[in-house]
Amino acid sequence: SQQGEEDPQALSIQEGENATMNCSYKTSINNLQWYRQNSGRGLVHLILIRSNEREKHSGRLRVTLDTSKKSSSLLITASRAADTASYFCATDDDSGSRLTFGEGTQLTVNP
Amino acid sequence: NAGVTQTPKFQVLKTGQSMTLQCAQDMNHEYMSWYRQDPGMGLRLIHYSVGAGITDQGEVPNGYNVSRSTTEDFPLRLLSAAPSQTSVYFCASSSPSWAGELFFGEGSRLTVL
Repeated sequence: SQQGEEDPQALSIQEGENATMNCSYKTSINNLQWYRQNSGRGLVHLILIRSNEREKHSGRLRVTLDTSKKSSSLLITASRAADTASYFCATDDDSGSRLTFGEGTQLTVNP
Repeated sequence: NAGVTQTPKFQVLKTGQSMTLQCAQDMNHEYMSWYRQDPGMGLRLIHYSVGAGITDQGEVPNGYNVSRSTTEDFPLRLLSAAPSQTSVYFCASSSPSWAGELFFGEGSRLTVL
């Protein structure tokens, strides 16, 4: 079963626009992570936010976490064509030993 | 620094054949794991290991075996391949614990005919 679910499944924007992707999860977590996957490649870690944090920034990335709503969002500002990729959220589970991924959001940034 | 290395990158098997997907990491990571990625299903955890000599099952372990005799290597064995095991397989590692950043290999694309 999938712990995290991303929304939307696909997003197409123009270069320079902001892209927002959302992730909802079902059970309590210790932390939530976001990953990026270029076509045909492995996943690359973007950012980790802990359950006691509400917002975190890394370059053009901004991640928020609302544990009361069991949701997180990833904002990419001033998008570039090179940001075209699939983005996944991942959460741990109660056992603390498994990382579960959502189905991902396919982002297309048009030049 | 090679990171996480998976071999082979591509493999075609016939139903019933067995094979091993290799995974090696040179970062001295304690935690290693195998995921499979299928269209519309995201990544699903097959098996994981928190250290040499220790392995445990993930979400979809049936049909797969693993072992962890060294810190560096975590092979995934398909005992009798089935068409349902056609997928892209990813190995990932992490340190100092599973809850840290996962480093992924480039994937192994397996087709079972």
